[in-house]
Amino acid sequence: GNSVTQMEGPVTLSEEAFLTINCTYTATGYPSLFWYVQYPGEGLQLLLKATKADDKGSNKGFEATYRKETTSFHLEKGSVQVSDSAVYFCALSDYKYGNKLVFGAGTILRVKS
Amino acid sequence: EAQVTQNPRYLITVTGKKLTVTCSQNMNHEYMSWYRQDPGLGLRQIYYSMNVEVTDKGDVPEGYKVSRKEKRNFPLILESPSPNQTSLYFCASHTIFDTSYEQYFGPGTRLTVT
Repeated sequence: GNSVTQMEGPVTLSEEAFLTINCTYTATGYPSLFWYVQYPGEGLQLLLKATKADDKGSNKGFEATYRKETTSFHLEKGSVQVSDSAVYFCALSDYKYGNKLVFGAGTILRVKS
Repeated sequence: EAQVTQNPRYLITVTGKKLTVTCSQNMNHEYMSWYRQDPGLGLRQIYYSMNVEVTDKGDVPEGYKVSRKEKRNFPLILESPSPNQTSLYFCASHTIFDTSYEQYFGPGTRLTVT
């Protein structure tokens, strides 16, 4: 079945450091790919998405590019802030079962001032 | 404001005492789902519904029931909760007319079963 693998955390960075969170996937067909963010004590928010190969999703300084050849969707940000501290989930849409989202395990990001 | 609402947000209960977590969306979405979030496992789908009176099992349906009598509501029922159902639960909805199938999530319900 379809699956998503994310780098394990927690990832701890200093403010203004460069962020990369790796995400790779296994899927049949051509799923849409997503990054969701969960701030402490809150629900899930969509951070960005990409619907086809070579699409780049971007939002709030975060970017990720849909790479079909490497089956990857790595999340990057050039300069993180303390307010970016959260849990980040990579996910893909599985059309076969009611378009469910298949999630990675999540990566905790901690940014120190 | 377009949103998915869940109630209650927090619930502590005892083994075997039936409970219902409500979910409602105001976006006229066809699809609704329930997920549970557990540390190290991400979110896993429990049940989903493609429209009124149409429901199907997700990846972890054991111990749960759902119903979809109205398009906007999708309650999650635990008829005999057990401690292994202690988790954070999310309801989500999306429309078939968005080809990215972006899902909109509720704020979550933290359930503790003792």
